Amino acid sequence: NAGVTQTPKFRVLKTGQSMTLLCAQDMNHEYMYWYRQDPGMGLRLIHYSVGEGTTAKGEVPDGYNVSRLKKQNFLLGLESAAPSQTSVYFCASRGANYNEQFFGPGTRLTVL
Amino acid sequence: DQQVKQNSPSLSVQEGRISILNCDYTNSMFDYFLWYKKYPAEGPTFLISISSIKDKNEDGRFTVFLNKSAKHLSLHIVPSQPGDSAVYFCAASLLNGYALNFGKGTSLLVTP
Repeated sequence: NAGVTQTPKFRVLKTGQSMTLLCAQDMNHEYMYWYRQDPGMGLRLIHYSVGEGTTAKGEVPDGYNVSRLKKQNFLLGLESAAPSQTSVYFCASRGANYNEQFFGPGTRLTVL
Repeated sequence: DQQVKQNSPSLSVQEGRISILNCDYTNSMFDYFLWYKKYPAEGPTFLISISSIKDKNEDGRFTVFLNKSAKHLSLHIVPSQPGDSAVYFCAASLLNGYALNFGKGTSLLVTP
């Protein structure tokens, strides 16, 4: 099993550009999450999903949109990137009966 | 407002000695607590957890202690090894909650 995978691993954007980060999991997990990690800030929840077709806002949702059209995929979109969105983005998933989340390797995004 | 706090940004310990990482929380409704370990350029990996009905949980060299009255938990690593050098995140979740609340992390350095 690959676990949780993220695409791409690195990306550099210019202010105002858009992009989509893809997260995929092969563990048949119901719940999926997007976090961002900034220096000295820990992990902050952007959006999450408790099932196919459902999404909800986390702690820092502004400037991001998400979609979960398939159970195994969770997409994070930036419609108009800003330098404040320079960060490392982590996707995670977990089963409905467990508390432990499994994380992907991360995507390092730089917005110039 | 940060509900999970790790007040020590860094900790240095000699190989073979005990490492003690601390975590405080403010929300008395938190029901489940987890520790994650993170190496540079990788995603966090689950280390150990504890339910609020317990005060101790052991897994090999790792032990987590929970003091509910003080809203405090700690992770003990005995004996510490150089490979334990990483950032450790404390996290907490509510009963039937979907999300994890993370602390800002403590960077542990184990020196030979």
